[in-house]
Amino acid sequence: GAGVSQSPSNKVTEKGKDVELRCDPISGHTALYWYRQRLGQGLEFLIYFQGNSAPDKSGLPSDRFSAERTGESVSTLTIQRTQQEDSAVYLCASSWNTGELFFGEGSRLTVL
Amino acid sequence: AQSVTQPDIHITVSEGASLELRCNYSYGATPYLFWYVQSPGQGLQLLLKYFSGDTLVQGIKGFEAEFKRSQSSFNLRKPSVHWSDAAEYFCAVATNAGKSTFGDGTTLTVKP
Repeated sequence: GAGVSQSPSNKVTEKGKDVELRCDPISGHTALYWYRQRLGQGLEFLIYFQGNSAPDKSGLPSDRFSAERTGESVSTLTIQRTQQEDSAVYLCASSWNTGELFFGEGSRLTVL
Repeated sequence: AQSVTQPDIHITVSEGASLELRCNYSYGATPYLFWYVQSPGQGLQLLLKYFSGDTLVQGIKGFEAEFKRSQSSFNLRKPSVHWSDAAEYFCAVATNAGKSTFGDGTTLTVKP
């Protein structure tokens, strides 16, 4: 497709389970970002990729969170041993390095 | 490191009134500046951007913003607000390496 695609759009999981969230960026975009948005809150930066490298992982809240990007394309955000405070919308965005971000619709995670 | 401050958490204006949302940034070099809008239940959409040149930039939906280097500001304006403008507005700054940092957002409520 022409836009940023995220899957799943909704995920309900039980506390302690692992989840994987996927992001397909716009083809050719070199930069890819993950943000978290809790209900009624702003965007919380998680991690930023340039190509397949992550020069800035400073926003990952704990070692339960990890992300990778392969083929300078698809990225996966993994949350291990989910906690209720992980419930949020996880937004992915991609860019040509101009800083203009194109956002996906987000993956809404609910941890019961 | 760059940072963005949106001093107003919540603004209420009457329909038809003018609007100004404030944004101040901190960055050592010439910034790339953006405003995004997030309507209820929607993804983030770019309203307008500043890279260089004319300091008054026009965006979609009748919005404009002015870059003032001396004040490190990039305030968003609209002459006449419509009820459909009710949304969350985010200011962002990007470095020439592409990393984007967002403000905490301003929620706009439009009174009939």
